[in-house]
Amino acid sequence: AQTVTQSQPEMSVQEAETVTLSCTYDTSENNYYLFWYKQPPSRQMILVIRQEAYKQQNATENRFSVNFQKAAKSFSLKISDSQLGDTAMYFCAFMKQFVQGAQKLVFGQGTRLTINP
Amino acid sequence: ETGVTQSPTHLIKTRGQQVTLRCSSQSGHNTVSWYQQALGQGPQFIFQYYREEENGRGNFPPRFSGLQFPNYSSELNVNALELDDSALYLCASSFPRGGGRAVVNEQFFGPGTRLTVL
Repeated sequence: AQTVTQSQPEMSVQEAETVTLSCTYDTSENNYYLFWYKQPPSRQMILVIRQEAYKQQNATENRFSVNFQKAAKSFSLKISDSQLGDTAMYFCAFMKQFVQGAQKLVFGQGTRLTINP
Repeated sequence: ETGVTQSPTHLIKTRGQQVTLRCSSQSGHNTVSWYQQALGQGPQFIFQYYREEENGRGNFPPRFSGLQFPNYSSELNVNALELDDSALYLCASSFPRGGGRAVVNEQFFGPGTRLTVL
């Protein structure tokens, strides 16, 4: 079974600073996908960024980027030039690549990120 | 394009009762997944429906059941409610791409239903 671990329950930074959220996972699969989701107080889970395990290049989406270390099973999220709107719970998630059958997300426990003015 | 919607927003039930939660998938999506998110935790996979059939299930007892309708909307039913069933229930829809090839379906989440069991 796959597990996802986020070791930082809470983090707090000043606006415009850079912050890195950590995530490790455990799997015996070779083909899989990793995601970072954001859940603001509105509760709607929003996809921030995704990474395919077969790609060596780290994914980037505007101010968000990942550091994917497949051998170490590490998948951290870096937020540059943080903004007040980045305040939310952030979840790291894993999905095994299926040919058929349920494609389920396995989530970590989350990191509560607060951006202070 | 309409996103994923869920109803009701909040619900209060007492132990032993039954509850039905509803989800309308995003336009064009034929797969619906349900997750339970306890307070302060990450979501846990309950089950997934694809073309009106259960396509996979997590570690939840049979009193958690579901349906998917021809328009791809879905219901989550929970019988004999227990206090530990208090949680945010999230629905996510997705659309398989690539036919039979191994692909990942990005899941789009609704705002959730907050269930409180007293």
